[in-house]
Amino acid sequence: EDQVTQSPEALRLQEGESSSLNCSYTVSGLRGLFWYRQDPGKGPEFLFTLYSAGEEKEKERLKATLTKKESFLHITAPKPEDSATYLCAVQAPGYSSASKIIFGSGTRLSIRP
Amino acid sequence: DTAVSQTPKYLVTQMGNDKSIKCEQNLGHDTMYWYKQDSKKFLKIMFSYNNKELIINETVPNRFSPKSPDKAHLNLHINSLELGDSAVYFCASSQGVLSGNTIYFGEGSWLTVV
Repeated sequence: EDQVTQSPEALRLQEGESSSLNCSYTVSGLRGLFWYRQDPGKGPEFLFTLYSAGEEKEKERLKATLTKKESFLHITAPKPEDSATYLCAVQAPGYSSASKIIFGSGTRLSIRP
Repeated sequence: DTAVSQTPKYLVTQMGNDKSIKCEQNLGHDTMYWYKQDSKKFLKIMFSYNNKELIINETVPNRFSPKSPDKAHLNLHINSLELGDSAVYFCASSQGVLSGNTIYFGEGSWLTVV
């Protein structure tokens, strides 16, 4: 069964303390892996799409990497404004590509000043 | 300008009522979706329309009926609301249904059934 598991569930860091969030997936024939940021009371905001193992993408203090079984979202020297829930999603083959996008439950990241 | 907008943002209603949530996107996308986010924060797809045609209908009770008057709008009507329908409903859109197309979400509609 296609599955996405994110860890940890919650992570509290001091401002400037770098760390990584994990997204493990089991899917046959990955079509794409997505990272989103969700602030309280808001919809998910797109961050990155990764398509193949070895691919990396960066945006400000965030860098996403992909292997055949997992993706990491590295956050370097985070600031309080980086506090949010980070969602991972994978796209698997299906009768319609749009149907097989599976989300993880997210990691709640909190950065203390 | 908000790319994907949905109304209302908050809705509190009694069991048994019928309610609708409206969604509009100004991104020029062909595909629109309704997702449900439960208390554990999992986002699950409910419906998808591509150019006004229903292409995804996941295991959702018949009380939920989407309607797409045009490709920029996708509304969700819910009949005979139940307590378990309380959740956040997100409208979203993407350019087509091809693999890897980014999905853009609205701000969400918080539905509470009492």
